[in-house]
Amino acid sequence: GEDVEQSLFLSVREGDSSVINCTYTDSSSTYLYWYKQEPGAGLQLLTYIFSNMDMKQDQRLTVLLNKKDKHLSLRIADTQTGDSAIYFCAESTGGYQKVTFGTGTKLQVIP
Amino acid sequence: ETGVTQSPTHLIKTRGQQVTLRCSSQSGHNTVSWYQQALGQGPQFIFQYYREEENGRGNFPPRFSGLQFPNYSSELNVNALELDDSALYLCASKQGGPDTGELFFGEGSRLTVL
Repeated sequence: GEDVEQSLFLSVREGDSSVINCTYTDSSSTYLYWYKQEPGAGLQLLTYIFSNMDMKQDQRLTVLLNKKDKHLSLRIADTQTGDSAIYFCAESTGGYQKVTFGTGTKLQVIP
Repeated sequence: ETGVTQSPTHLIKTRGQQVTLRCSSQSGHNTVSWYQQALGQGPQFIFQYYREEENGRGNFPPRFSGLQFPNYSSELNVNALELDDSALYLCASKQGGPDTGELFFGEGSRLTVL
């Protein structure tokens, strides 16, 4: 079955890079996502990667996918205080692309 | 701004009541799915609709039901509310069918069951 795991908390200093890691179990994942959720808000799609890709870069965001180890990471360059939020990793699987989320990593950016 | 709008934003119900939550998808998005997010947890998949038919369901009982309308708007209905149904309910939509990538979420409807 599907299971997505993330560490619960990450603290970084403003200006440093943040790396949020995620592992998943279903090798038939089609898409892997990173979402950002600020307090009291919905989910903002940051980026997603198709499962046959190794890397995707979008401005300050870099996604790395190691399909062999079922490991996904999100690197945020030059982390800002506005990046403080909960980050969810998710995978889509199955014919109808059910999306399974991790429990989220809370990123705290220290000024 | 994703173009996915949900209503109401907040509501309070008592145990045993019924609730209907509404979602208006981004224009052109023909696939809509619903998620339940309990406090401190990641969202859990409830079900998905494509062309007005349910085409996928998570581990939720039949008292959770839905509809998708010809204009691709959607409803989530929950009967016989229980205290554990208190959560943020998120609607998400995508364009081009269930097997495409970009999935956009609304801001959610926060349900409190007393």
